[in-house]
Amino acid sequence: ETGVTQTPRHLVMGMTNKKSLKCEQHLGHNAMYWYKQSAKKPLELMFVYNFKEQTENNSVPSRFSPECPNSSHLFLHLHTLQPEDSALYLCASSQPGGAGEKLFFGSGTQLSVL
Amino acid sequence: QQQVKQSPQSLIVQKGGISIINCAYENTAFDYFPWYQQFPGKGPALLIAIRPDVSEKKEGRFTISFNKSAKQFSLHIMDSQPGDSATYFCAASSLTQGGSEKLVFGKGTKLTVNP
Repeated sequence: ETGVTQTPRHLVMGMTNKKSLKCEQHLGHNAMYWYKQSAKKPLELMFVYNFKEQTENNSVPSRFSPECPNSSHLFLHLHTLQPEDSALYLCASSQPGGAGEKLFFGSGTQLSVL
Repeated sequence: QQQVKQSPQSLIVQKGGISIINCAYENTAFDYFPWYQQFPGKGPALLIAIRPDVSEKKEGRFTISFNKSAKQFSLHIMDSQPGDSATYFCAASSLTQGGSEKLVFGKGTKLTVNP
């Protein structure tokens, strides 16, 4: 399997639940990203990891907790979410080295918070 | 503050026509301007990109026009086909402190090409 794979594809959770989103990339990249895509809003960068180290946190609420155990895997742990957190969560990877690096996106996890 | 403004929000074009999507940016530190294409149920995929040292880049039926002084750039799709129906996002990029890509996206344009 190649590219960026995200699981699950769909997730429905209550506001008191704890769940995790998983992303795996098979491209040998060293940078991984979480983006949030909401209807009629721009894609919002949430977190960036370079060589497993978090290098960007775009003022994301603490109910979202990322984890990057190695350069191929990225998780987003979710707890006590709000209905407005319902969105498509996209993982991406790239090979850092300069502006203009191509981002490869997964197909996303469609999250619904009830 | 929206750093990249994209218009129109939606666009309907007849097969064979020209589709034009416009974007404007504010931050002069941006140095890379990609366009991403997203089909339903899929993540965005890079379509074409340009750097500010050139005014135009063409790849097949897709052309980016770039106006650095006006801080505007646009995507032109020539001979539009029904298979081009998708959502298109413009973006602008700068480097994070960590050296990785930091893309700022426009809100997207939903293109429908009628047969």
